[in-house]
Formats: sequence, structure tokens, C-alpha cells
Amino acid sequence: DTGVSQDPRHKITKRGQNVTFRCDPISEHNRLYWYRQTLGQGPEFLTYFQNEAQLEKSRLLSDRFSAERPKGSFSTLEIQRTEQGDSAMYLCASSSGLERNEQFFGPGTRLTVL
Amino acid sequence: AQTVTQSQPEMSVQEAETVTLSCTYDTSENNYYLFWYKQPPSRQMILVIRQEAYKQQNATENRFSVNFQKAAKSFSLKISDSQLGDTAMYFCAFMSFGAGSYQLTFGKGTKLSVIP
Repeated sequence: DTGVSQDPRHKITKRGQNVTFRCDPISEHNRLYWYRQTLGQGPEFLTYFQNEAQLEKSRLLSDRFSAERPKGSFSTLEIQRTEQGDSAMYLCASSSGLERNEQFFGPGTRLTVL
Repeated sequence: AQTVTQSQPEMSVQEAETVTLSCTYDTSENNYYLFWYKQPPSRQMILVIRQEAYKQQNATENRFSVNFQKAAKSFSLKISDSQLGDTAMYFCAFMSFGAGSYQLTFGKGTKLSVIP
């Protein structure tokens, strides 16, 4: 049974560059979530997909952020014109809604913006 | 909006002893889940235990149990017979049943160190 995977695990970029992260959820999980975790804080919700539809976005998700889940399987999160404040761990989670709504988390992508 | 508060940034416990981590939350909802997640150093977050708000009985998973006080909006985690592998960040989280995304709202976490 393969868990949630994320790629890359680490990303260092210069301010102003664009970055894209990928998340592969557990097979057949129709719900996919993105969270952001900064140092010393709990994860904060960014956005949610049910199948390919993006159903909810947090106010944290500025217009520089865009997420897609084109075929209802993997998802990408793109950050344009990165800022130092974007430095964080970006976590992906998936769920089927059947296991009493348990969300299974990936290992995260740690972004450092120089 | 829901909020989750963990008032203990760090705690330590001797191996084999018992420790309790505190969590309070604020919500106007009546139907929700509460969770404790564990995040070991440099490893991914995993679910420790969950509680459905409509259930009066406190959830138990092996050495982990909760004390759920709905009226007080309190949800503490008790770890019995602490083991070195329990060293981790522990996050309390809230999920509403209501129409929407079932997103998790997390507290800031408690860093637990188990001392040999």
C-alpha cells in the first residue's frame, strides 16, 4: 500500500522565481488537501479538491498561488514570484471520506526562498 | 471560525511514565471530529487517535487515550507507558462535519520529549 508522496522533498529558490510542487495521493482517495506549516506552528489549510474540482481555498492562498488536480489523481501547487515569507513546509494530505475522515499526510516539501 | 489552543509548547516525560497533553477548542458547531496527530522529527504526520463529538465514550488506542469534555471544549491526550519512539510534536486538530471541505484546523503543537 503506497502512502501519499510529494516531490521534491526540498526546494531552494531565489526570491522572484516560480516553483511547482507535486503530490500523489493514495490511490482512489478522492479528496486532496494542501496545508502550509511554518516553523513552530501547526499546519494551516490552503486548499481542497474533491476529485478534479477545487472546492475551497483559504484566504492564505494569495493570487500568486495556484493549485490543480487535472484528472482527479495527482495535484500540483505552483507559487509564482516567490517571496521570503513563502518559506515553509508544504504538506499534502488525502482521504477517501470512508475511514471516518482520516487524512493521510505526505512527507512534505520544504521550501526555502533566499 | 474554529480555533484550537495547545497551551503547552514543550513537555518531557520519563520513559515508562504517563503524560497528558492539553488541548482546548472553540466552535459553535455541534457535529465535529477531534484528532491528535503525531509528527516525529523529520518524518510525516500520522494519526494517533480520533474522537467523534457525538460519542460520549472517550476514545482509546492502545497506550493512547483521550479525555473529551464537550461542554468544556477540552480534548486532552494521555500517553501511558511512554516510549522513546513517542518523542515527537503532537498536534490537536478539529474537523467540522458541516457542508464544506472537512479541512483540519490545527493547534500550534506540543513538543514531547521522552527521556530514557
